[in-house]
Amino acid sequence: AQTVTQSQPEMSVQEAETVTLSCTYDTSESDYYLFWYKQPPSRQMILVIRQEAYKQQNATENRFSVNFQKAAKSFSLKISDSQLGDAAMYFCAYRSAFLQTGANNLFFGTGTRLTVIP
Amino acid sequence: DSGVTQTPKHLITATGQRVTLRCSPRSGDLSVYWYQQSLDQGLQFLIQYYNGEERAKGNILERFSAQQFPDLHSELNLSSLELGDSALYFCASSYSGGYGYTFGSGTRLTVV
Repeated sequence: AQTVTQSQPEMSVQEAETVTLSCTYDTSESDYYLFWYKQPPSRQMILVIRQEAYKQQNATENRFSVNFQKAAKSFSLKISDSQLGDAAMYFCAYRSAFLQTGANNLFFGTGTRLTVIP
Repeated sequence: DSGVTQTPKHLITATGQRVTLRCSPRSGDLSVYWYQQSLDQGLQFLIQYYNGEERAKGNILERFSAQQFPDLHSELNLSSLELGDSALYFCASSYSGGYGYTFGSGTRLTVV
């Protein structure tokens, strides 16, 4: 099974500053999808950004961008101009693109808790 | 509102009991996934259904079972409950999966 590792249990950032959350994954597959999900105190899981492994261009969504290094199996999330509302748990997730069995569940990392300091 | 509806939102029950958690997927989504999140832990995949058929199983205990009905809603049945089963249970749905998954707001189960 694929494994997803988030080595930073907690991170903090000053409001308006930039922070990078790390994620590495282990897979033998060549095609897959990667995701970052945000879980605020409400516990709702919110999709932040997604990346297709066959695309070399890094995905961006407003203040959120990723640094996808396929050879290194690394998928970090950069949050620019951090806001108080960014405080949450952030989960990195992996999904195989191989759909023969139709099994396409997400594998999650253990999460990074981000604190935003006013 | 994400479009994925989970009921109930909270459930408190005693050890040894059986409960049923319900999930209605977002309109048009054929796949339903169940995840368990214990306190301050990541999400553990339990099981996936696609259009009524089981497609993948994760770390689901034998005491747990699920099904997806013809109207595509799904139920997760947890029996012989133990204290360690206390967790947040999420349901998610997707059409193809490549565009991410839409999560419900979860059912918080407390076993006392």
